[in-house]
Order: sequence, then C-alpha cells, then structure tokens
Amino acid sequence: NAGVMQNPRHLVRRRGQEARLRCSPMKGHSHVYWYRQLPEEGLKFMVYLQKENIIDESGMPKERFSAEFPKEGPSILRIQQVVRGDSAAYFCASSPRLQPRDRGYYEQYFGPGTRLTVT
Amino acid sequence: QKEVEQNSGPLSVPEGAIASLNCTYSDRGSQSFFWYRQYSGKSPELIMSIYSNGDKEDGRFTAQLNKASQYVSLLIRDSQPSDSATYLCAVRLPGSSGSARQLTFGSGTQLTVLP
Repeated sequence: NAGVMQNPRHLVRRRGQEARLRCSPMKGHSHVYWYRQLPEEGLKFMVYLQKENIIDESGMPKERFSAEFPKEGPSILRIQQVVRGDSAAYFCASSPRLQPRDRGYYEQYFGPGTRLTVT
Repeated sequence: QKEVEQNSGPLSVPEGAIASLNCTYSDRGSQSFFWYRQYSGKSPELIMSIYSNGDKEDGRFTAQLNKASQYVSLLIRDSQPSDSATYLCAVRLPGSSGSARQLTFGSGTQLTVLP
C-alpha cells in the first residue's frame, strides 16, 4: 500500500488518558501535516513536520498536544489528558520534497484518519 | 471575513446535469488551489489542483481560477449519484512568513446528485 497510513483507525479513551496517533507518509514523501476535523466543522491545520523537525505548529493547541516525526518510524501526534472536546477525526497528509522550481505546487494526500472518541 | 469561503449548500442537481461549486479566498498572494471530495465518514480525496488563471480539465471535472477576483470553482459535468459528497476547497495561503505550506480549507459544499 503506497498511500498514507494512519493507525489506529478508531481510538476510544477515557477523560484524562493519553492518545497517541500514528502516521506513515506516502512512499517518497518527506513532509507530514496533521489536521483535525471536529464534528460538523471544517478541516483545521494543526502542525507541519519534516523528519526530526517541526516546521510550523501554529495550529496546535498550546497545552496537552505535541507532535514528532523521528528519523525512523512514523509521525506521532500525542494528546495528553484528553477531554471530551478532543473527540474528532484526526487526519494526516503528506507531500513530496520539492525542488525550488516547484515552489507553490504542494499537493497533499490524506490518510484514512483516526477517529478519536473521549468518553 | 473567512480566509476561504464556500456556499455550504446543500446543493442538489439531477443526474446528468452540471454541478457548479464555488469558492472565494481572502489573500491575493495565494498561489495554489485544490478541490477535495469527502464522502461521509471518509477522508478527503484530492480531485483537482490548479495554479494558473483559467480552466483545467480532468475527465468530468473542470477547475476554474480567477486570481483577480480571488475566485475558484469546480464544475462537474454529467453528474452521477456517486458524486454525492462534500466538496472542500483548499488554498495554500502565503502565511506570515510567506512560505506557509499548510492548506486552509473552506467549510465545504454538500452536493447531492438525484437519480
């Protein structure tokens, strides 16, 4: 499967627990983005990462949320001490490394998402 | 003013008709524009990207971009019931640093194609 992979697809956590979401980008892609879709709301950007580097986390809540993309292995979005308001679909997208001449051409491909339910 | 605006719909068209979906954006410096289709309970699927003024056609889909009017649209010809989904307009806004790569999405237009 050459597509973006995410796991788990469904995650149920009780309030106060930690949620850990994983994303493996499409083969050949080196950029990973996390988005959140709250019920009946649009997709909102959270964080953009490259290997071992957070490029932009302007959409990430300041507390309880963190993300990483290590040299080896998938990107991980971690939510500590989850609350009911964290219940949402979390999508990961990836895009390829581009040459300077490709500036502006940033097609992103989405994974199937992780649906987090906090009880 | 929202950064990316779409008519939320719902939009209903009969099978075989042309469905027209519209999107406006606030930042004149935006360079990259995308249409995604999202079926209920599924993830967004990229269907069109457009970067230059004018039309871009791919099968039954045509994307139209007018940077002067800050307007991008998607036409679906010969609409089929399987086209029933939410269509998301996404724009790569320049961002404060001028090099932002994340996409800003509209709220989506729900399309129903009636058999």
